[in-house]
Amino acid sequence: DTAVSQTPKYLVTQMGNDKSIKCEQNLGHDTMYWYKQDSKKFLKIMFSYNNKELIINETVPNRFSPKSPDKAHLNLHINSLELGDSAVYFCASSPRQGQGGYTFGSGTRLTVV
Amino acid sequence: AQSVTQPDIHITVSEGASLELRCNYSYGATPYLFWYVQSPGQGLQLLLKYFSGDTLVQGIKGFEAEFKRSQSSFNLRKPSVHWSDAAEYFCASQGRRALTFGSGTRLQVQP
Repeated sequence: DTAVSQTPKYLVTQMGNDKSIKCEQNLGHDTMYWYKQDSKKFLKIMFSYNNKELIINETVPNRFSPKSPDKAHLNLHINSLELGDSAVYFCASSPRQGQGGYTFGSGTRLTVV
Repeated sequence: AQSVTQPDIHITVSEGASLELRCNYSYGATPYLFWYVQSPGQGLQLLLKYFSGDTLVQGIKGFEAEFKRSQSSFNLRKPSVHWSDAAEYFCASQGRRALTFGSGTRLQVQP
C-alpha cells in the first residue's frame, strides 16, 4: 500500500487548459501539503491543509486552487495553465501541523506546451 | 525568516569513500532539522531527523548527521558510499508551519 499516492504521475497539456492533480494519504495524518519543485530542484511550499482547513497559502497565483474534501485527500486544480507552471508537484503529509518528518508522494511531472 | 543553505551544488565521490554533505541553517531557537534523499524520478525519502538531545543522529541506509549549534550546521555523513547512494540530498528545517528546504546537493558516485 502506497502511503501517499498522487495521480497522475505525468501530465502533458497545452497552455490555457485546466488540470487537476489528486493526492491521497492512508497514514491517518492530519496535515497535507503541496510543494512545487522547479527545474533547479528547488522545493517551495505552496499550500497546506490541517484537518481540511487551509493553513498555508503562499504567494501562488490564484489560478492554483487546492481542495481538501477530507483529511485523507488534497487535490490541486490549476486553471489557465502557463508555460511557467511546468514543474514537478509533490504532495506530502505529516502527523500534525508543525511536525516534520513528512511522507512524500512520488510527484506529478507537469509539462505545459 | 529561517533559511537552510547547502553550499555544495554537486559532489562526486568514489565508491567506498567517505561522504560529508554540508548544511547550514539560520534560526533563532533550537531548530528541528531533517535530511531527505531524492532518487531520480522519485519522491523524497526521510533519512534522519534531529529534534533535541544527542547531537549525533543515526538514520537509515547507514547515514548519520551531527548537529553543531556553534556552527549552525547539520552535516550529513556516511563512512562508505555505495553506488546506489547517487541521488539528490536535501536538508530541511521545520518552520512554524512547514518545512523549508535547502537547494539540494547532487551526489555522483564513481566506480
